[in-house]
Amino acid sequence: DGGITQSPKYLFRKEGQNVTLSCEQNLNHDAMYWYRQDPGQGLRLIYYSQIVNDFQKGDIAEGYSVSREKKESFPLTVTSAQKNPTAFYLCASSSPGLAGATQYFGPGTRLLVL
Amino acid sequence: AQSVTQLDSHVSVSEGTPVLLRCNYSSSYSPSLFWYVQHPNKGLQLLLKYTSAATLVKGINGFEAEFKKSETSFHLTKPSAHMSDAAEYFCVVRGGSNYKLTFGKGTLLTVNP
Repeated sequence: DGGITQSPKYLFRKEGQNVTLSCEQNLNHDAMYWYRQDPGQGLRLIYYSQIVNDFQKGDIAEGYSVSREKKESFPLTVTSAQKNPTAFYLCASSSPGLAGATQYFGPGTRLLVL
Repeated sequence: AQSVTQLDSHVSVSEGTPVLLRCNYSSSYSPSLFWYVQHPNKGLQLLLKYTSAATLVKGINGFEAEFKKSETSFHLTKPSAHMSDAAEYFCVVRGGSNYKLTFGKGTLLTVNP
């Protein structure tokens, strides 16, 4: 089945710890995205990547880092500099070049701070 | 610049009655507009999208939305609510050739038996 997978479903972070959220897609999409969702605030863009080995900051990139070494993978690291990391994190992908290109979402990872 | 306003944070309907979720947008470009649905602790699923073709867009599960440029609106409707429609709904705008999506803050739909 084609789609986007995110792991783990739940992740716990200790103070001062970096954690990495996984996102994999087998849709052959060039573009991938990371969003953060907080209650009552909708989704906010953290980082996006239009092509392998290239990525751009979104609206709330501080305290996060990404890499895009493979087309199908776009991991997100939540660093210790992110002081309020508790949120639901969603990964998405899309195929560029199409008018109104649709973003398809993974099932999400919920990050909690111990 | 682009923005989205979902006019109701919470809508409550009875099963079998019509659903109306309201969305207004602003965009400097000819926009693409989307409605997504999210069930608790799940990812977002696309309901429908408008991309400058027909102004009345039909989506999955009996939902539809009408693009009204003069009113800068893209309201989501369904003739008869089902219990399984209870979820959070997001109106989303994409302006011009930018990849960036701008999300509304969501409308929580509850369906009463």
